[in-house]
Amino acid sequence: QVQLVESGGGVVQPGRSLRLSCAASGFTFSTYTMQWVRQAPGKGLEWVALISNDGSKEYEADSVKGRFTISRDNFKNTLYLQMSSLRVEDTAVYYCARIMEPGTVVAGTGTLGYWGQGAQVTVSS
Amino acid sequence: DIVMTQSPLSLPVTPGEPASISCRSSQSLLHFNGFNYLDWYLQKPGQPPQLLISLGSQRASGVPDRFSGSGTGTDFTLKISRVEAEDFGVYYCMQTLQAPPTFGQGTKMEIK
Repeated sequence: QVQLVESGGGVVQPGRSLRLSCAASGFTFSTYTMQWVRQAPGKGLEWVALISNDGSKEYEADSVKGRFTISRDNFKNTLYLQMSSLRVEDTAVYYCARIMEPGTVVAGTGTLGYWGQGAQVTVSS
Repeated sequence: DIVMTQSPLSLPVTPGEPASISCRSSQSLLHFNGFNYLDWYLQKPGQPPQLLISLGSQRASGVPDRFSGSGTGTDFTLKISRVEAEDFGVYYCMQTLQAPPTFGQGTKMEIK
């Protein structure tokens, strides 16, 4: 079965960096677009970034553009989110998610059919 | 960016009764391929969101048929025919027509 397991979260000071990982199993990782979504404490869901199945296309939300970078290693079946210049407002649970359909997404950005349990990132001095 | 607006934001419901949530988008979500790029999710406390409905009306695998999605263009509705105890939580709509994907604010369905 599809499994997505995030790791790398923790407490970090403002301005510092952190890298989240998402280990995928139970499916052919290299054929699916992957995404990150976050949720600040007591708040709603906020989409963060996506990367195409082959890594050739990336897209980040304006709120993190220039600070966060999404990447993937299809040999290690792992998705990453490199976060730098962290701010207090980046405090959230970060979920990795897989879209429903394999291959190149020809329309839209993809329905998020599978989610990990999330990794807590706390930015605090 | 496409703005998604849900209503109500709070929905007290008696188990066994029906429930309905509205989601409106600032731009049409109807693609020229005929599909509406609108998904519905339920998030229970301490859990990640779970997919209920994709492309406006397609129930995800394992989702009970008491859940139904309808609408087209900019107006969408999630209906639950008879609410059960396991249905309580926060419901989100999400547009996936164009990047960046955007979520509604969430509708918290609580026991009345």
